Amino acid sequence: QSVLTQPPSASGTPGQRVTISCSGSSSNIGSNTVNWYQQFPGTAPKLLIYKNDQRPSGVPDRFSGSKSGTSASLAISGLQSEDEADYYCAAWDDSLNGWVFGGGTKLTVL
Amino acid sequence: EVQLVESGGGLVQPGGSLRLSCAASGFTFSNYEMNWVRQAPGKGLEWVSYISSSTGTIYYADSVKGRFTISRDNAKNSLYLQMNSLRAEDTAVYYCAREDGNSYGQFYFDYWGQGTLVTVSS
Repeated sequence: QSVLTQPPSASGTPGQRVTISCSGSSSNIGSNTVNWYQQFPGTAPKLLIYKNDQRPSGVPDRFSGSKSGTSASLAISGLQSEDEADYYCAAWDDSLNGWVFGGGTKLTVL
Repeated sequence: EVQLVESGGGLVQPGGSLRLSCAASGFTFSNYEMNWVRQAPGKGLEWVSYISSSTGTIYYADSVKGRFTISRDNAKNSLYLQMNSLRAEDTAVYYCAREDGNSYGQFYFDYWGQGTLVTVSS
């Protein structure tokens, strides 16, 4: 099992808003910022959200992140078919002295 | 343009060794911490190892500790992963990733390579 817990799947229809949760502990999300990565099949992951809620240039503002305590969330508003991908949360873990990832959430646009 | 290009993957027998390389370009390599992250077929991302910009600090995931060695050559703009005593469960695509950020606990992987596939099988 992954140190960070994400739902394995999420879905929505075009135009909807969907959220993906990421649950951790005091040694990772509780102490450090959370990053989100988007991955399409057969390609490398891409940074989507960093430092909890920051978007790299080029990432649409439909994507937003938040963090509270030992949990974080990724929200996608105005869902589009091209958002269908796998999404991973990640944070540094002070106890493990390493990066920890969520198991990933497969987003399906119905 | 930042580029990270991995190489060195392939088919290796259980117990064998392999050395992965990651060639960096488009940025001052010696200023950045680097990581290896892997992804087994059909599975999620798993962090493997971290090395600081000056090689002063190195971390490993428990799953590879004692078997894998991360290193870098800042003069050659290259990152390496020496993998020994390979097991079937090491089969994965291995990515190198640049780490950015300016405060402890606020780092992130801003660039990733395309990955190189390592298959451990007899």
